[in-house]
Amino acid sequence: EVQLVQSGAEVKKPGDSLKISCKGSGYIFSNYWIGWVRQMPGKGLEWMGVIYPGHTDTRYSPSFQGQVTISANESITTAYLRWGSLKASDTAMYYCARVAVVGPYDAFDIWGQGTMVTVS
Amino acid sequence: DIVMTQSPDSLAVSLGERATIKCKSSQSVLYSSNNKNYLAWYQQKPGQPPKLIINWASTRESGVPERFSGSGSGTDFTLIISSLQAEDVAVYYCHQYYSTPFAFGGGTKVEIK
Repeated sequence: EVQLVQSGAEVKKPGDSLKISCKGSGYIFSNYWIGWVRQMPGKGLEWMGVIYPGHTDTRYSPSFQGQVTISANESITTAYLRWGSLKASDTAMYYCARVAVVGPYDAFDIWGQGTMVTVS
Repeated sequence: DIVMTQSPDSLAVSLGERATIKCKSSQSVLYSSNNKNYLAWYQQKPGQPPKLIINWASTRESGVPERFSGSGSGTDFTLIISSLQAEDVAVYYCHQYYSTPFAFGGGTKVEIK
């Protein structure tokens, strides 16, 4: 079964650093782009960026460039989203999702269950 | 950057009736070399991650009921639920993946009247 399993909920203080993870299984992890999507409480979906684990090519939304770092370790089929210094406004649900085909230009066909990050 | 605008923000439809959701992109998402619209629709039920239901503007994903259909080209797209069922209560999002930064519409909440 193709799936993405994300790390558990986090409660942090402003200024803390944080790295959340997304482990893929059931497919060739290095062949598919992985993206991250933010959903603030009661709000819509925001595209943050994508990474190609096979050679770590990364594309960011300007809204998130410099605010977060997207990375991946293909040897353990895991993608990451990292903050250097959290703000209260980073409180949200974060989803990872797989891009449907090889190449970034496609929809997200498989989604993780989400990681809730609370900064307070 | 391409901006995606959905309408309405919410709608209430009687069981068995039609629900129509619109999505408009600020630039065309039709790639002329392959004549494909780089536009998807997702369904998000409360407490769940989004689920891809329509890709390439009109291709229904495997297992998605036939009552869901997508249409449109260029900048104007429509998602139709032909006969609303109770399990269709959700928020629906369009998503362009034509050019980065890829973007979602603001969402349309579908409820039962």
